Amino acid sequence: DTAVSQTPKYLVTQMGNDKSIKCEQNLGHDTMYWYKQDSKKFLKIMFSYNNKELIINETVPNRFSPKSPDKAHLNLHINSLELGDSAVYFCASSPGQGQRTDTQYFGPGTRLTVL
Amino acid sequence: AQSVSQHNHHVILSEAASLELGCNYSYGGTVNLFWYVQYPGQHLQLLLKYFSGDPLVKGIKGFEAEFIKSKFSFNLRKPSVQWSDTAEYFCAVKGTYKYIFGTGTRLKVLA
Repeated sequence: DTAVSQTPKYLVTQMGNDKSIKCEQNLGHDTMYWYKQDSKKFLKIMFSYNNKELIINETVPNRFSPKSPDKAHLNLHINSLELGDSAVYFCASSPGQGQRTDTQYFGPGTRLTVL
Repeated sequence: AQSVSQHNHHVILSEAASLELGCNYSYGGTVNLFWYVQYPGQHLQLLLKYFSGDPLVKGIKGFEAEFIKSKFSFNLRKPSVQWSDTAEYFCAVKGTYKYIFGTGTRLKVLA
């Protein structure tokens, strides 16, 4: 069984388009995250949700809007895509960011290419 | 400010060589420390983690790491690397609300 899943795995689109990436976890975790990994492999936190509530928003352009319909899902919608948005986006989940032994588990990633 | 630095950006080793990857963190509170591995084209997988207790932690695939509080370090080690260890390695620290990742070390093991 896949613990953290993302769709799609690859996404190629034109500048200016709007696209969404979906993430689901079946681990029963309370906290979910979105990370952006650039071409140099640098991993940067974008958002974090705990039980459907936004707890981290790391100065991400407001073209990026996360949505958490329930604690097992955290989707990422991106408006007006730009060339610089090209990256691999990873979803992750953890039991609860307030827990002493909290540990993150990552999804397979979505490679976004903006042309 | 919380930060993680990995000093080695690229490491090239021959098979059977010993590995040590450096990781230093800056965080004032109780730390949880992690090493993740990312094989080419794949997602990050947890190698090992430290929360408390024995500062020498053992992970999967023969990896281990030692937490040295006085040096703010959590270096990753493996006595004998294999070609299949070729990957990107990330050190991370969990602060109050978020995880902070180092910039990664790209390891290439030559067969």
